[in-house]
Amino acid sequence: GAVVSQHPSWVICKSGTSVKIECRSLDFQATTMFWYRQFPKQSLMLMATSNEGSKATYEQGVEKDKFLINHASLTLSTLTVTSAHPEDSSFYICSARPLTGLAFFGQGTRLTVV
Amino acid sequence: GNSVTQMEGPVTLSEEAFLTINCTYTATGYPSLFWYVQYPGEGLQLLLKATKADDKGSNKGFEATYRKETTSFHLEKGSVQVSDSAVYFCALTETDSWGKLQFGAGTQVVVTP
Repeated sequence: GAVVSQHPSWVICKSGTSVKIECRSLDFQATTMFWYRQFPKQSLMLMATSNEGSKATYEQGVEKDKFLINHASLTLSTLTVTSAHPEDSSFYICSARPLTGLAFFGQGTRLTVV
Repeated sequence: GNSVTQMEGPVTLSEEAFLTINCTYTATGYPSLFWYVQYPGEGLQLLLKATKADDKGSNKGFEATYRKETTSFHLEKGSVQVSDSAVYFCALTETDSWGKLQFGAGTQVVVTP
């Protein structure tokens, strides 16, 4: 089946630094990628939708200047958490969708900001 | 707006027991419904789906029927195994935003030998 690789699986960073998370579709071209975050014992919440070559569309309440999303190629999207703070600690997960059909999920990234 | 509500966990069962995880939804249109499973340390995997009322999705012994009248999509399995221990997510998507999923909170299932 289709594979989506997300890297890193977990990361610990100091408050005030930036962290980049990568999401790659390994065996298909992802015209659309989605970024979600999940707080402990809560739902996955959609943060943004990105189409290759366009600016990402952010959900209400998500700060676009804090969560920078780049989708420069059909196989790679990145999420950069800028000036991270402890309240940004969460589980971030991407999904990638080909032109037709369902999206496939990465394995997620556990971010801890100390 | 749309929302998905599923029963809280953890649900602890003995091997070969019957599993039900309740899921209800609210949606403005006619969504497609999904169950995803997340095994420890892995990403979400699609378990089954149903795209219209009365459809039954099934996979790996799991089943769920799209019930429009009760806005439900309960997941069932007749005889669970230890390997079914995971977190299960109910989700929906509107057909005009295919791939943009609204998730329930997830239900952890623990199956003991």
